[in-house]
Amino acid sequence: ETGVTQSPTHLIKTRGQQVTLRCSSQSGHNTVSWYQQALGQGPQFIFQYYREEENGRGNFPPRFSGLQFPNYSSELNVNALELDDSALYLCASSSGTSGAFYSYEQYFGPGTRLTVT
Amino acid sequence: AQSVSQHNHHVILSEAASLELGCNYSYGGTVNLFWYVQYPGQHLQLLLKYFSGDPLVKGIKGFEAEFIKSKFSFNLRKPSVQWSDTAEYFCAVIRGSGGGADGLTFGKGTHLIIQP
Repeated sequence: ETGVTQSPTHLIKTRGQQVTLRCSSQSGHNTVSWYQQALGQGPQFIFQYYREEENGRGNFPPRFSGLQFPNYSSELNVNALELDDSALYLCASSSGTSGAFYSYEQYFGPGTRLTVT
Repeated sequence: AQSVSQHNHHVILSEAASLELGCNYSYGGTVNLFWYVQYPGQHLQLLLKYFSGDPLVKGIKGFEAEFIKSKFSFNLRKPSVQWSDTAEYFCAVIRGSGGGADGLTFGKGTHLIIQP
């Protein structure tokens, strides 16, 4: 069984640029969630994708957007990067039905460390 | 919206000591509760979870947690810690009814250091 993988591992971008982070879900999982973990903080929920549609979102601005593909892999896109976007971005996959994933365990990937200068 | 409070940000214990990490959440409805652990250099792993039923849940590596609904608490315990338990521990909650996808709400974490 393949776990959740994320790429790249590290990334350095300049303020104002755009970035795309990628995630491959664990085999058999159809739901992907993205989290931002700032230094010294717990992860914060960005959004969730189920069947290629966003079906839940945390308190993040629209410049954070995503995609889910038919193979359930996902992308997180961040436009107009700000210094405060520097963080570890975590992807988690789970197996849900009708988007009601809260009853299911989420499996996390290793994360992408984004530094904005 | 729900929130999670972890009382101890840094805990230092000696091997064989007993451990209890506090976690309180704020949400009046049904919740699902989790403890995740992040060992140095590794990704977040699920330690244990509570959905319903017996409020005392057992997880991996000898950890257990007790859900006390009246206190909105879900404290993590281990009778005798080992050096390998050194890690960051996160308590997380998600509402258990109403559908939708709120995502997990995490506490800020407790950094646990076990001294040999």
